[in-house]
Amino acid sequence: SQQGEEDPQALSIQEGENATMNCSYKTSINNLQWYRQNSGRGLVHLILIRSNEREKHSGRLRVTLDTSKKSSSLLITASRAADTASYFCAIKGYSTLTFGKGTMLLVSP
Amino acid sequence: SQTIHQWPATLVQPVGSPLSLECTVEGTSNPNLYWYRQAAGRGLQLLFYSVGIGQISSEVPQNLSASRPQDRQFILSSKKLLLSDSGFYLCAWSARPWDSPYSNQPQHFGDGTRLSIL
Repeated sequence: SQQGEEDPQALSIQEGENATMNCSYKTSINNLQWYRQNSGRGLVHLILIRSNEREKHSGRLRVTLDTSKKSSSLLITASRAADTASYFCAIKGYSTLTFGKGTMLLVSP
Repeated sequence: SQTIHQWPATLVQPVGSPLSLECTVEGTSNPNLYWYRQAAGRGLQLLFYSVGIGQISSEVPQNLSASRPQDRQFILSSKKLLLSDSGFYLCAWSARPWDSPYSNQPQHFGDGTRLSIL
């Protein structure tokens, strides 16, 4: 299956702490994308990292990709209550994008 | 800027009734369009995608169908809804590169339709 699997399924932290979520996959990829979903809303694209890239940053977000281990991680630094959401990794192979089941992040004030 | 609209936001339908969900994109042309379903607490399941008017690819066999009558309009339909059709339906678009029907661009989602079947 090309589906990514996020770990952990749920994560609860305090404001100001860092949050790390991981994604593992089984096939070769073109790129890997991370999305956020607030409760009851659509997904919002966060970062796209290509298979020949190892690390990307966007504001408080840092994504790494290790194609030899077929894994990626999303780090949110200095988390805020507004970061509370579900986070999904999505695997882009030849054609369509395949989403994992997500990590639910709860950031408490 | 590009926007995507889905309606209705919420829908309650009896088993056996028909369904029509509509999605429109503004501010771009020739987009790839997608319909996903998300069960409670689960990931997204791709149902249909389209690379052009009248071109529909189905990922999962079921009693749902999709149509693309215009470049920026994507419709999800059913003639007879089943209880198992309940879920959160999301429409998305992505830019299409000139040299491929498939996009390496990110997808942009609407706010979804929550469908409950009674």
